[in-house]
Amino acid sequence: QVQLKESGPGLVKPSETLSLTCTVSGGSMDSSYWNWIRQSPEKGLEWIGYVFYAGSTNYNPSLKSRVSISIDRSKNLFSLKLNSMTAADTAFYYCARANNSSPRLYVDWGQGTLVTVSS
Amino acid sequence: DIQMTQSPSSLSASVGDRVTIPCRASQNIRNYLNWYQRKPGTAPKLLIYSASTLQGGVPSRFRGTGSGTDFTLTITSLHPEDFATYYCQQYYSSLPTFGGGTKVEI
Repeated sequence: QVQLKESGPGLVKPSETLSLTCTVSGGSMDSSYWNWIRQSPEKGLEWIGYVFYAGSTNYNPSLKSRVSISIDRSKNLFSLKLNSMTAADTAFYYCARANNSSPRLYVDWGQGTLVTVSS
Repeated sequence: DIQMTQSPSSLSASVGDRVTIPCRASQNIRNYLNWYQRKPGTAPKLLIYSASTLQGGVPSRFRGTGSGTDFTLTITSLHPEDFATYYCQQYYSSLPTFGGGTKVEI
């Protein structure tokens, strides 16, 4: 089974850019969709977007103007960048894998990392 | 966006109880529904997909039913390790959305 682990800063200042990395172990990154999902008390679980193993991306329209997801298969990781952070972006951020055959079925998840936006 | 509603947000139960957790979609999503379990400090776990198909390795006491707009996750006999929060998620739309979760408490 694939294991995923999020890493990145726990605290981000307003207006700054969040950068998170998800390291993948125990399997190949091929033929999968690599997702970021977040959870806050206000919005609950919210899909942020994915990067396909071949590099194409798809984002939640509500975040599309601020988000970028990329993949580095040579290092077995993928990354999230979310700019212009505000307090509303305070949340647990999860990375998750979906199979090629079912891109919106999240079969493996990381434990999540809490990101707080505060000055 | 398709809204997913889970009510109640929490329920109390005892070991051995039969527990039913409802989920309602704001429009017809056929059977494009998944269920996840989340325990504090651990990764969410996929339990059921396509409304009723058990993910590999998930105990058979978990059952999913429903189609259209109304769905139910049933735990036929609650085990101690089942105290957790359960989320439904639709994937009928290209924008997947989740319910707010139902916490099963002792």
